[in-house]
Amino acid sequence: SQTIHQWPATLVQPVGSPLSLECTVEGTSNPNLYWYRQAAGRGLQLLFYSVGIGQISSEVPQNLSASRPQDRQFILSSKKLLLSDSGFYLCAWSVHSYNSPLHFGNGTRLTVT
Amino acid sequence: LAKTTQPISMDSYEGQEVNITCSHNNIATNDYITWYQQFPSQGPRFIIQGYKTKVTNEVASLFIPADRKSSTLSLPRVSLSDTAVYYCLVGAPGSSNTGKLIFGQGTTLQVKP
Repeated sequence: SQTIHQWPATLVQPVGSPLSLECTVEGTSNPNLYWYRQAAGRGLQLLFYSVGIGQISSEVPQNLSASRPQDRQFILSSKKLLLSDSGFYLCAWSVHSYNSPLHFGNGTRLTVT
Repeated sequence: LAKTTQPISMDSYEGQEVNITCSHNNIATNDYITWYQQFPSQGPRFIIQGYKTKVTNEVASLFIPADRKSSTLSLPRVSLSDTAVYYCLVGAPGSSNTGKLIFGQGTTLQVKP
């Protein structure tokens, strides 16, 4: 069966520090991969998605970036965090079919201080 | 891209049936309608998906009229543990809009004893 792993579960970082969040998927090949962010009490904001290795599409211009160095690995990064980057970051995957639902990880709670 | 509109919040009592309606007036031919449930500090979880007419599984039913411009999630006999945020998502991961799976605000369901 397929599983998705995100780490760390929680993270507290000072303003201006770098960020690296990692997501890996097991049990499937060539998945679509997504990064979403959820601010406190808000809905899900799509940040990046990827349909294959090295293919990244950005939905929201900001100081975050994403990379997909391997088929089932998706990384969210920042060189310098802002206070507004605080939130709940969720990684998700789907297969390449019209009716594939999204499968989410357990998320990373990021607090920028 | 199909934008979705849902009620922000709903209240119910244990044992009642709850119906949450989502509007998606510009749904595309290839789009599927998928509902997710999210508990605090967790990633959304797939509930049910449909294309047209009615779909039923062990936890919910999904009603989709012929014009597909809306859908209704029906939760039979809710319990306190059904208190969560429910999202309606319209899209087709395998289509040319792969990755542009944008969530709406969601409906916060509060089940009372």
